[in-house]
Amino acid sequence: NAGVTQTPKFRILKIGQSMTLQCTQDMNHNYMYWYRQDPGMGLKLIYYSVGAGITDKGEVPNGYNVSRSTTEDFPLRLELAAPSQTSVYFCASSYGQGGGQPQHFGDGTRLSIL
Amino acid sequence: GDSVTQMEGPVTLSEEAFLTINCTYTATGYPSLFWYVQYPGEGLQLLLKATKADDKGSNKGFEATYRKETTSFHLEKGSVQVSDSAVYFCALSDEYSGGGADGLTFGKGTHLIIQP
Repeated sequence: NAGVTQTPKFRILKIGQSMTLQCTQDMNHNYMYWYRQDPGMGLKLIYYSVGAGITDKGEVPNGYNVSRSTTEDFPLRLELAAPSQTSVYFCASSYGQGGGQPQHFGDGTRLSIL
Repeated sequence: GDSVTQMEGPVTLSEEAFLTINCTYTATGYPSLFWYVQYPGEGLQLLLKATKADDKGSNKGFEATYRKETTSFHLEKGSVQVSDSAVYFCALSDEYSGGGADGLTFGKGTHLIIQP
């Protein structure tokens, strides 16, 4: 049972560099999400997707982009890395939104911008 | 907008002590409520959930009851173990808050430390 898989687990970037955080799920979930977790601040939603080809902004989308070309994959791209983007990033997926459908999380990508 | 407030940590208890972690919420619709647990270096795992008023979620000895009248979902366990040391997040999903799958709203997390 792979569930939600995120790569890489750790990464250090220089200011202004770009990178893509990968996320894939094997549960055939339609809904996928990207969160960032900052110390003492809980998780904040960056972007989400309700299915292939459909994405929308969450609470903190600035500086990020996403795409959803397949049901399985939901990559997150940082175009011009800034120190404020130092965080732990979590990808999640769910079968649906209503009826208490839980979200399933990957193990996270710890990103440092120096 | 929706929000979740949970008690600040860290919370330090001795093994076999009784645990309560308070969680209250505000929501515009009829939310489902969740507790997630995060062990060091790992992602969040669903611990328990409740989808309507007076529902009780339970798992691994943990319990929480959906109290609409007090807008609360406090997490309890009768006898904690060292292995329960983790960060606990209260969260809600409000499908009527404005349409769309706009994710979970999380509290800031409570770091629980259980000493032997």
